[in-house]
Amino acid sequence: DAGITQSPRHKVTETGTPVTLRCHQTENHRYMYWYRQDPGHGLRLIHYSYGVKDTDKGEVSDGYSVSRSKTEDFLLTLESATSSQTSVYFCAISESAGLAKNIQYFGAGTRLSVL
Amino acid sequence: QQQVKQSPQSLIVQKGGIPIINCAYENTAFDYFPWYQQFPGKGPALLIAIRPDVSEKKEGRFTISFNKSAKQFSLHIMDSQPGDSATYFCAASETGANNLFFGTGTRLTVIP
Repeated sequence: DAGITQSPRHKVTETGTPVTLRCHQTENHRYMYWYRQDPGHGLRLIHYSYGVKDTDKGEVSDGYSVSRSKTEDFLLTLESATSSQTSVYFCAISESAGLAKNIQYFGAGTRLSVL
Repeated sequence: QQQVKQSPQSLIVQKGGIPIINCAYENTAFDYFPWYQQFPGKGPALLIAIRPDVSEKKEGRFTISFNKSAKQFSLHIMDSQPGDSATYFCAASETGANNLFFGTGTRLTVIP
């Protein structure tokens, strides 16, 4: 999975609790992304980062926040988890220059269940 | 609102058959169209991609056909094998853009 480690791989939590998912890369790629995958929706972008401390929202960002304090780490936080956030979360990375920016490499995913 | 529409949702073919998965888009600014392959428990992996300056691209048994005027593109898998059984996603974006818009996926099953 292209030098991308997601942790944890599985998590079960209760409604209202905070949850943080971690993505760690060893490729030194500038761009990092968080997607969620749900049946009938494919993958949808939550947030992305284009550098340390530089982040922006994707199409389904409500209820999520992110942080990137180091090139290699991108954290996704659910401040107060809801059942609608039960999903499989994928981290992706891409290089920064030109056409290469479109080529995204994905981690193995984190399966999150909010009860 | 789905930026990229994908069909069919699922597909079953016999070994050696040629499954075809179709995608359509509306945004004429899209100029990069990748296909991703995903096995159970794994993340999506880039399979093949095309840009609109060509109408077809082949890599091994996988071919993308692209129709710019119809705003459609499709994936053909020649001589399909049971190991090709996976979920396939089409996607689209603008060069240099941060957002890659995915279709809803097609679950392919190749029967031995």
